[in-house]
Amino acid sequence: DAKTTQPPSMDCAEGRAANLPCNHSTISGNEYVYWYRQIHSQGPQYIIHGLKNNETNEMASLIITEDRKSSTLILPHATLRDTAVYYCIVRVGGGNAGNMLTFGGGTRLMVKP
Amino acid sequence: GAVVSQHPSRVICKSGTSVKIECRSLDFQATTMFWYRQFPKQSLMLMATSNEGSKATYEQGVEKDKFLINHASLTLSTLTVTSAHPEDSSFYICSASPDVTDTQYFGPGTRLTVL
Repeated sequence: DAKTTQPPSMDCAEGRAANLPCNHSTISGNEYVYWYRQIHSQGPQYIIHGLKNNETNEMASLIITEDRKSSTLILPHATLRDTAVYYCIVRVGGGNAGNMLTFGGGTRLMVKP
Repeated sequence: GAVVSQHPSRVICKSGTSVKIECRSLDFQATTMFWYRQFPKQSLMLMATSNEGSKATYEQGVEKDKFLINHASLTLSTLTVTSAHPEDSSFYICSASPDVTDTQYFGPGTRLTVL
């Protein structure tokens, strides 16, 4: 699986949009971009994933560049509960549930009042 | 949907004893489950891939005789830490994917403390 690069930490004001970048310049055509977050002392929580089109769900939006070498996770109105470590992971898709996830260091997002 | 549970959430044991951790997919079947370990201030590290009805696949450096994995049904995988030592103290997390999708869902984790 391709490697990802994320800033180690970011701050965001409560109520503002949090934009978390991720670089994955070696991504392959069949690799999806997945985002998870981990709140302290809990298991990771799935947020969103995409292949090449932008995606949006009730939690966040995922913007993938046209060349697919980078992406941005957007939390439109950050709250204090969004303080967590956010992981960007690229992984082969295609319906194979046996593909593992490889976690990097992630971005520690601190939402401040 | 896609809920994964773990039991226990927290366990404290004496050195030399064995501890069993259960991972269940509550509302879906999972042919494959994964076990991760996370030390303080570090990222998750994959320990092994648990396959229903067959032997687990362990990552390099993980002792298969120490970390016994059993995946007896499509909704249950167990991890047994045998002859636990203080260095085995960690946060153990499992994950599973519904067979028809790629998205992995994680359990809440089990905090193991070996005295």
